[in-house]
Amino acid sequence: ELKVEQNPLFLSMQEGKNYTIYCNYSTTSDRLYWYRQDPGKSLESLFVLLSNGAVKQEGRLMASLDTKARLSTLHITAAVHDLSATYFCAVDMPTAKKSSGDKLTFGTGTRLAVRP
Amino acid sequence: DGGITQSPKYLFRKEGQNVTLSCEQNLNHDAMYWYRQDPGQGLRLIYYSQIVNDFQKGDIAEGYSVSREKKESFPLTVTSAQKNPTAFYLCASSRSSGRVNTGELFFGEGSRLTVL
Repeated sequence: ELKVEQNPLFLSMQEGKNYTIYCNYSTTSDRLYWYRQDPGKSLESLFVLLSNGAVKQEGRLMASLDTKARLSTLHITAAVHDLSATYFCAVDMPTAKKSSGDKLTFGTGTRLAVRP
Repeated sequence: DGGITQSPKYLFRKEGQNVTLSCEQNLNHDAMYWYRQDPGQGLRLIYYSQIVNDFQKGDIAEGYSVSREKKESFPLTVTSAQKNPTAFYLCASSRSSGRVNTGELFFGEGSRLTVL
């Protein structure tokens, strides 16, 4: 069974500071996704990482994937209040173990609060 | 504009009643999914469908049923057999499975079900 763990579960950051959210998963996979969720809202896709060593950046957020370590990171640079949200990583089931189709397993989320 | 439409946005149900949540997409995606989210939790997969007239159980299918009679539509019925149905329900879609596509999920706005 694929397990996806995120840490920290809650992060309170000061504006302007840097921090990293970690996503570990238990089974070999080379496809990982990051999503953002605002309170009471749906999920918005942030990054799609499809190979070992993949790095994607958008504004103050940068995501990377190390499939050998089964680890993805979401790095926040110079945080601003607008980044306050819950961030989820999700991992695709390894192809060899799929019964049919793609099926993502989500982490429990990291709730980020950026304070002045 | 292409997207995923869920309805209703809010729904109240008495114990013992079945309710059906609607999910329609005009993205021409083959695959559709239903996830459940409880407060402060990640997403758990209820059912998914890769093609019309076919669907598979996810991790928490008990007490739920689905149908996929049309490519665009994937309604979810929460039956009276579901012991704790109060939750936020999210519908998602993706292009057809297979390594040629990214596997990225696109989400609807969600339906919040409360059992009175």
